Amino acid sequence: GAGVSQTPSNKVTEKGKYVELRCDPISGHTALYWYRQSLGQGPEFLIYFQGTGAADDSGLPNDRFFAVRPEGSVSTLKIQRTERGDSAVYLCASSLTPLSGRRTDTQYFGPGTRLTVL
Amino acid sequence: LAKTTQPISMDSYEGQEVNITCSHNNIATNDYITWYQQFPSQGPRFIIQGYKTKVTNEVASLFIPADRKSSTLSLPRVSLSDTAVYYCLVGDYTGNQFYFGTGTSLTVIP
Repeated sequence: GAGVSQTPSNKVTEKGKYVELRCDPISGHTALYWYRQSLGQGPEFLIYFQGTGAADDSGLPNDRFFAVRPEGSVSTLKIQRTERGDSAVYLCASSLTPLSGRRTDTQYFGPGTRLTVL
Repeated sequence: LAKTTQPISMDSYEGQEVNITCSHNNIATNDYITWYQQFPSQGPRFIIQGYKTKVTNEVASLFIPADRKSSTLSLPRVSLSDTAVYYCLVGDYTGNQFYFGTGTSLTVIP
């Protein structure tokens, strides 16, 4: 079956440019997550959507980063005025809404978008 | 936030059982323990999840003592393809399930 897909797989841009990274979650998954991962580090949480709304955006590093999910499925991560320090792999994951109110969702990850800012 | 502590790296020979322990001293009552596996150039993949005692699936076992302040992922008879980074996460549906830490890099040696 179709998993989480992310486009593009690689993106090279120049410092100061604007980029958009797209995530297509698994059909029917209401929760969507964005992470970024630098070499040798674990994924770093950025933002979590439940449906169309951002349930937790505490991981966004600054106001240059913004994410949307207007129809509750596809999400776009937007980075303005890119900096060399933004270079990383950006991972997207999705999960089902928990059936009960307590269980932690299993997150299904996409392959990531490798962003390089020159 | 229930932070986790894991060994940075481990080596094992093919065919051996590997146990990776994760410490989570500040685990909350509602928190579950989840382990993910990540291969190079791929996103993490769910391995196993548990709340207490022992959980087993076709891939691994998860041992959680009564105080739940630690957990051990057990991989039976590892093969070269088990070489990966393994992450322990602690949290519940309300949050805190997003902290991956640096994980444990497992290298399986022929």
